[in-house]
Amino acid sequence: NAGVTQTPKFQVLKTGQSMTLQCAQDMNHEYMSWYRQDPGMGLRLIHYSVGAGITDQGEVPNGYNVSRSTTEDFPLRLLSAAPSQTSVYFCASSYQESSYNEQFFGPGTRLTVL
Amino acid sequence: KNQVEQSPQSLIILEGKNCTLQCNYTVSPFSNLRWYKQDTGRGPVSLTIMTFSENTKSNGRYTATLDADTKQSSLHITASQLSDSASYICVVSAPNDYKLSFGAGTTVTVRA
Repeated sequence: NAGVTQTPKFQVLKTGQSMTLQCAQDMNHEYMSWYRQDPGMGLRLIHYSVGAGITDQGEVPNGYNVSRSTTEDFPLRLLSAAPSQTSVYFCASSYQESSYNEQFFGPGTRLTVL
Repeated sequence: KNQVEQSPQSLIILEGKNCTLQCNYTVSPFSNLRWYKQDTGRGPVSLTIMTFSENTKSNGRYTATLDADTKQSSLHITASQLSDSASYICVVSAPNDYKLSFGAGTTVTVRA
């Protein structure tokens, strides 16, 4: 199993550009989520999905869109990049949405917005 | 306001020495607490999970303790190795809520 994979690993954008961060998992997990990690702060939840076709907003959803057309894939779209979105983005998945289930994290995407 | 506070922010220890990391939380009611290890440039990986009824859990040289009354947890690293250099993140959850509260982490540097 590859686990949770993310692409790209690094990305530089100009303000106003859009892009999609890719996330895939091969563990047949129902629950998937996107976090951002900023210096001196804990990971913050952007969006999450409890199954194909179901998504919901997390703590910091503004400026981001998600969709979940398949169990395996959960892409994160930046609509119009802003410098405040410079961060490291992590995708995670778990068997179900219960907090008792371990979340498996991808390797992250480091995004810089100029 | 962050409901999970970790201390120290960073520490440096010599290889072979022990260290203890602290986590204080205000999440209430409380369901479970995890410690994650995050190597540089990688995603976090779970080390231990404890429910409110557990007060200690070990994973090799890592031992986590929990005092649900005082809302404090600690992670003790015994006989540190260079590979222990990482950020350690405390994560707390409430009952019936899969949304997690993350601490900012403690960065541990182990030097030879």
